[in-house]
Amino acid sequence: AQKVTQAQTEISVVEKEDVTLDCVYETRDTTYYLFWYKQPPSGELVFLIRRNSFDEQNEISGRYSWNFQKSTSSFNFTITASQVVDSAVYFCALSYNNAGNMLTFGGGTRLMVKP
Amino acid sequence: KAGVTQTPRYLIKTRGQQVTLSCSPISGHRSVSWYQQTPGQGLQFLFEYFSETQRNKGNFPGRFSGRQFSNSRSEMNVSTLELGDSALYLCASSPGREGPTDTQYFGPGTRLTVL
Repeated sequence: AQKVTQAQTEISVVEKEDVTLDCVYETRDTTYYLFWYKQPPSGELVFLIRRNSFDEQNEISGRYSWNFQKSTSSFNFTITASQVVDSAVYFCALSYNNAGNMLTFGGGTRLMVKP
Repeated sequence: KAGVTQTPRYLIKTRGQQVTLSCSPISGHRSVSWYQQTPGQGLQFLFEYFSETQRNKGNFPGRFSGRQFSNSRSEMNVSTLELGDSALYLCASSPGREGPTDTQYFGPGTRLTVL
């Protein structure tokens, strides 16, 4: 069975602070895919990143960075110098090779960035 | 390129009624997936359609059904509505391939309220 756990339900930071959102996953498949999505108040899920299980390189995109560690089954997301516009709910999701496009989502982390 | 569009954006129905939601994918995308989002259960996969065929199905009762047309547009139907069906219904589209999981792009959702 696939499972994604985002233990932090809500995080509050002050603008310009760095913040890390945790994601731990469970799967028995050797080929799988991990995703992060952002959901602003408007409701639409915005794609942020996709990582496959064979690529453990960390990635940086502007103020965003991701740390993928297979040894601990984690795929954490860090926002550097947070801004008010980063306030949203962030979801980590998992899919595996024979699942087509079926995503298993974590419960989400609500990030509030205060000015 | 236009994004994923969903209609209607808001819907109010009463128990026992049925409802049809529509999703138009990104041009050229052949796969459409549907997800239900509720505060209690989070984001849950309903089903995926690819080339007019249901490719995957989540764990929902038979009251939830869907279809896809030759132009890749998709509809989902919920019959005999229950209060618990109140949710944000999100549609996602992707290019659609036989192999690895695609990245999915989500629409703004349809918020269904059942009274």
